[in-house]
Amino acid sequence: EPEVTQTPSHQVTQMGQEVILRCVPISNHLYFYWYRQILGQKVEFLVSFYNNEISEKSEIFDDQFSVERPDGSNFTLKIRSTKLEDSAMYFCASSERSGLAQDNEQFFGPGTRLTVL
Amino acid sequence: SQKIEQNSEALNIQEGKTATLTCNYTNYSPAYLQWYRQDPGRGPVFLLLIRENEKEKRKERLKVTFDTTLKQSLFHITASQPADSATYLCALRVNKLIFGAGTRLAVHP
Repeated sequence: EPEVTQTPSHQVTQMGQEVILRCVPISNHLYFYWYRQILGQKVEFLVSFYNNEISEKSEIFDDQFSVERPDGSNFTLKIRSTKLEDSAMYFCASSERSGLAQDNEQFFGPGTRLTVL
Repeated sequence: SQKIEQNSEALNIQEGKTATLTCNYTNYSPAYLQWYRQDPGRGPVFLLLIRENEKEKRKERLKVTFDTTLKQSLFHITASQPADSATYLCALRVNKLIFGAGTRLAVHP
């Protein structure tokens, strides 16, 4: 069964460093998402991406964050200058149709645990 | 303000019983409501979707109800098994997914 994959599974970085989290969505999916989950808290939406553009972003997704689909398979989340409060699990998700479509289902990857020291 | 609330306490039940989890929301008008399962250290896994014009949806041992007047969804697992132990997340779909905090279910043999 096709699945979303994410690398690395765990990333440790120093405050102020740049990190890039990588995702390979399911191959025929067109809509891509990043969510994060701080330990013990809710899963929170960060950004959605379609047709090489951000379609929606949350207020968490400030200028320190960016997303890119550099080739036909990868979808990346970059944090330019990490802060302690960026420590969280970051989940990539993809769907075949938009979030407004009737039968949309977002498939989640296993997550990358980011630890900022 | 907009809120999604799930039972904050963990739910402990005996194997074979029915687990019932609650999701309440305010100040949203979602077209769809979804339930996900999340195991520790893993991503959410989609279980069921229910539309605003549906009262009830079933899938094997799972049943979801959606009352848009009460702004509430109930999620039932019948004949529960220890393997059902996980955190269950309610999510409203308004293009993006807006998740509740989840309810941790523990099914004891």
